[in-house]
Amino acid sequence: GQSLEQPSEVTAVEGAIVQINCTYQTSGFYGLSWYQQHDGGAPTFLSYNALDGLEETGRFSSFLSRSDSYGYLLLQELQMKDSASYFCAVPYNQGGKLIFGQGTELSVKP
Amino acid sequence: IAGITQAPTSQILAAGRRMTLRCTQDMRHNAMYWYRQDLGLGLRLIHYSNTAGTTGKGEVPDGYSVSRANTDDFPLTLASAVPSQTSVYFCASSDRVHNEQFFGPGTRLTVL
Repeated sequence: GQSLEQPSEVTAVEGAIVQINCTYQTSGFYGLSWYQQHDGGAPTFLSYNALDGLEETGRFSSFLSRSDSYGYLLLQELQMKDSASYFCAVPYNQGGKLIFGQGTELSVKP
Repeated sequence: IAGITQAPTSQILAAGRRMTLRCTQDMRHNAMYWYRQDLGLGLRLIHYSNTAGTTGKGEVPDGYSVSRANTDDFPLTLASAVPSQTSVYFCASSDRVHNEQFFGPGTRLTVL
């Protein structure tokens, strides 16, 4: 089967850096995605890693190590608006269907 | 405005009733998906469609059916609702395999 594990909660202060980890177990690997969700609203896409290494998009970066079945989302210069739930996700197969982790709730404190 | 719309926004339903959740996208995406989100369980795939005229089962398909008569619409039907189907339902679409999925605003369904 396929499964993903990520911490349920993370707390950090404004301006700090936080890392949200995700380990996965899949029968085949087709990439690791990250989504953000505010207050139960529509999840929004943040990043996608198909190859090992770091992908940077502004204050957010995502890292993948296929040999370790591990990835993380790095958020820098935290802002209050970054308080949200963050989900890692992997495709079931090459068909694009996603299986999501249970989500990490990030709380940014002043 | 391009995107995905879902209707209704919320609904309270008596157990045993039939209900169809509507989803429409105007981005001409081939693939569409239905997820349910329950507290502590993240998003779970119910059904999907890779292209108009085809559908498939996801992780938790029991009690739900879908159809994909055209590219834009992907309705989800609960034939006989049960309380365990109380959840928030999200529709999503994508234009290519593995690329980002765009989510609708969700439908909050309560089955009593």
